[in-house]
Amino acid sequence: DVKVTQSSRYLVKRTGEKVFLECVQDMDHENMFWYRQDPGLGLRLIYFSYDVKMKEKGDIPEGYSVSREKKERFSLILESASTNQTSMYLCAIAGDLNYEQYFGPGTRLTVT
Amino acid sequence: AQKITQTQPGMFVQEKEAVTLDCTYDTSDPSYGLFWYKQPSSGEMIFLIYQGSYDQQNATEGRYSLNFQKARKSANLVISASQLGDSAMYFCAMRTTKTNTDKLIFGTGTRLQVFP
Repeated sequence: DVKVTQSSRYLVKRTGEKVFLECVQDMDHENMFWYRQDPGLGLRLIYFSYDVKMKEKGDIPEGYSVSREKKERFSLILESASTNQTSMYLCAIAGDLNYEQYFGPGTRLTVT
Repeated sequence: AQKITQTQPGMFVQEKEAVTLDCTYDTSDPSYGLFWYKQPSSGEMIFLIYQGSYDQQNATEGRYSLNFQKARKSANLVISASQLGDSAMYFCAMRTTKTNTDKLIFGTGTRLQVFP
């Protein structure tokens, strides 16, 4: 079974703080993704990575950056957290068969 | 433009009954894949079922089946014999080869509630 883990289930940060969300996979998958989920908007892609040190912007990259120094780890960085970044953040990897994505448990981030 | 539309924000179904969750999609790419995910209140997204655009048969996985109507661009999820544990958000998603990536486009979801 594919296993994707995220560093925290719940996180509370203050406006202006630098925030790191980490995602780790236990398989050798190349493609990893970060989404945010907001009520009524579904999932929106922030960034994705198809290899170590490779990254591409998704649909809503503003205010975020990413890091992938090792294949198994993909980090999402909020350089200066703002209240409009309060959301559920989901990490995913792409499977090998039909590119179905497997998700981590999610991090519910609150910025106050 | 590539888009997934789920027009039912919420659905109710009685236990043991079947329910259909609607999904329509828009793409000009002849090759694409359609997915359904379940998100219980715990928050984790669970992959349920996949349908490829060239697949001749409708996909089935246990109690889940995908009613794929290519001409109508619809990919409805049918859950047979609903159970209380089926109460969750359900998301339809699409992948196309046009962008040459594994990106998925998601709909806004349907909240299903199963009552006894």
